[in-house]
Amino acid sequence: GESVGLHLPTLSVQEGDNSIINCAYSNSASDYFIWYKQESGKGPQFIIDIRSNMDKRQGQRVTVLLNKTVKHLSLQIAATQPGDSAVYFCAENWMDTGRRALTFGSGTRLQVQP
Amino acid sequence: KAGVTQTPRYLIKTRGQQVTLSCSPISGHRSVSWYQQTPGQGLQFLFEYFSETQRNKGNFPGRFSGRQFSNSRSEMNVSTLELGDSALYLCASSQTGTSGRGTGELFFGEGSRLTVL
Repeated sequence: GESVGLHLPTLSVQEGDNSIINCAYSNSASDYFIWYKQESGKGPQFIIDIRSNMDKRQGQRVTVLLNKTVKHLSLQIAATQPGDSAVYFCAENWMDTGRRALTFGSGTRLQVQP
Repeated sequence: KAGVTQTPRYLIKTRGQQVTLSCSPISGHRSVSWYQQTPGQGLQFLFEYFSETQRNKGNFPGRFSGRQFSNSRSEMNVSTLELGDSALYLCASSQTGTSGRGTGELFFGEGSRLTVL
């Protein structure tokens, strides 16, 4: 498969454990955040989003936490499975001179050990 | 519902040539965004089109251009290719886009892998 990033930080977990992937965002004006998953050879896939008026949102096996005070976002994956192995990107969205801008983080590679 | 389709999936060009990449969005989606993905720079925004109009543009030189047709299909063109243009070019469609007032969820295609020799 194609290499998304040669020097990405990597998180290695055992199958069945919980995973926590962290992201520091840069713009205090960001008001919408998204997590994407990218498997080898594929485009990014939407996982979950959260607006800045929330500090937690839950999906199926995933939870996103937002701490606006320290500009930190995290993605928690419960009972991690081999199929969760991928690169995970956070993205921040904000209004910039009347238009919205979306910026992606550099990504974290999640490796799930069977 | 068919997903976002990008063609070609892989292509090899030489320096100085030009390339055109195509993207067919999900039916009903009016916004198409293009991103360049490289190991060193990650995902970088190129431009977004909505209803045939370029709504936002990233910090790329004028060699990178795009357009959107009335059926929402989009093409991007890179002229006078350089070695550094080698990358995975991703197209994403959404109903409202990420540059307008809405914050539409993006649906990505599998990308066009461009290699410049």
